[in-house]
Amino acid sequence: SQQGEEDPQALSIQEGENATMNCSYKTSINNLQWYRQNSGRGLVHLILIRSNEREKHSGRLRVTLDTSKKSSSLLITASRAADTASYFCATYDGQNFVFGPGTRLSVLP
Amino acid sequence: EPEVTQTPSHQVTQMGQEVILRCVPISNHLYFYWYRQILGQKVEFLVSFYNNEISEKSEIFDDQFSVERPDGSNFTLKIRSTKLEDSAMYFCASKPGSTDTQYFGPGTRLTVL
Repeated sequence: SQQGEEDPQALSIQEGENATMNCSYKTSINNLQWYRQNSGRGLVHLILIRSNEREKHSGRLRVTLDTSKKSSSLLITASRAADTASYFCATYDGQNFVFGPGTRLSVLP
Repeated sequence: EPEVTQTPSHQVTQMGQEVILRCVPISNHLYFYWYRQILGQKVEFLVSFYNNEISEKSEIFDDQFSVERPDGSNFTLKIRSTKLEDSAMYFCASKPGSTDTQYFGPGTRLTVL
């Protein structure tokens, strides 16, 4: 079964720095999505990238997808304290999602 | 903007009791899902539901679990006899069928004592 795995598990940076989180998966996918979760709260959809796309931007977010390496990265530029949250990648195989364990991002003021 | 809603936000129950978690998906959506997230762990798929029947379920979704769409708006997850290890956040999600994006509800935190 496919499984998204993010790294690092935890990341701590200063406000204004960029944060990069990576996701690897095992099998073919239709698309990959990134979600954010504030502590104990719901999941917020950030961005979707399809298997035939290599890069997408949304505001301060930049997502890349390398299907040959079965990996994706999420870059948050000019981070803010409010970006502190857990970030999950989820792969979609055409039927269901499989979530990775997430990266806990702490942005220090 | 329409959103998925879930009630209650927090449910506390005694081990062995039955619980029903409720979700109201976005009104024109056709596909429905339940996920759970044990504290500090990854989000896990439980079950998908389409056309009034289960499409797929994971190994977690055993005979203690059931789902129902009793009317045109609600989508429920029932746990017949809760166990301590059922304590988790339970997320409902829906999608219209024409896109690949699932829209998640805010979750119900279930605490089994």
